[in-house]
Amino acid sequence: EDQVTQSPEALRLQEGESSSLNCSYTVSGLRGLFWYRQDPGKGPEFLFTLYSAGEEKEKERLKATLTKKESFLHITAPKPEDSATYLCAVRGGGGADGLTFGKGTHLIIQP
Amino acid sequence: NAGVTQTPKFRILKIGQSMTLQCTQDMNHNYMYWYRQDPGMGLKLIYYSVGAGITDKGEVPNGYNVSRSTTEDFPLRLELAAPSQTSVYFCASSYSSYGVYEQYFGPGTRLTVT
Repeated sequence: EDQVTQSPEALRLQEGESSSLNCSYTVSGLRGLFWYRQDPGKGPEFLFTLYSAGEEKEKERLKATLTKKESFLHITAPKPEDSATYLCAVRGGGGADGLTFGKGTHLIIQP
Repeated sequence: NAGVTQTPKFRILKIGQSMTLQCTQDMNHNYMYWYRQDPGMGLKLIYYSVGAGITDKGEVPNGYNVSRSTTEDFPLRLELAAPSQTSVYFCASSYSSYGVYEQYFGPGTRLTVT
């Protein structure tokens, strides 16, 4: 059974204070790891897909990295508008044709 | 493109009532999914479809039914609603799961069963 664990559950940062969110996973044959952003009352918004260890992707202040056991979402010099819940999900090689999600990290950026 | 749309946005049901949650996508995606999200929990897959006429169970299918008669629509049916089905329901679509494409989500339906 695929499993995703995200840490911390919640994180409060000052504007401009860089940090990283962790996503640890166990999966039979990783076919893809996904990061989503979710604002209150909205559906998840796609950010990144990572396919293999060593891969990195960037978008504005966000950078996602992947190893064989975990992924990190690095946030550089965050702004208040980066406040959201960040979800990590994996697509394994077997089972139902959907994603297995972690519980998310609730990020608050204070001005 | 509107992307993935869901109706209604909110609904309150009494125990034992039935309803259909609607989902439509205009991206010509073959794959569609239904997830539920409970407070403090990750999204859980209810049902999915790989194309018109083909559906399959996910992790938590009990109490739900789906159909897929067109590429665009993937309704979720709740029969005999129970308090345990109080949740936020998200529909998603993707171009192809075989190629591991990202899933795009709708805005959700918040359902309360009392």
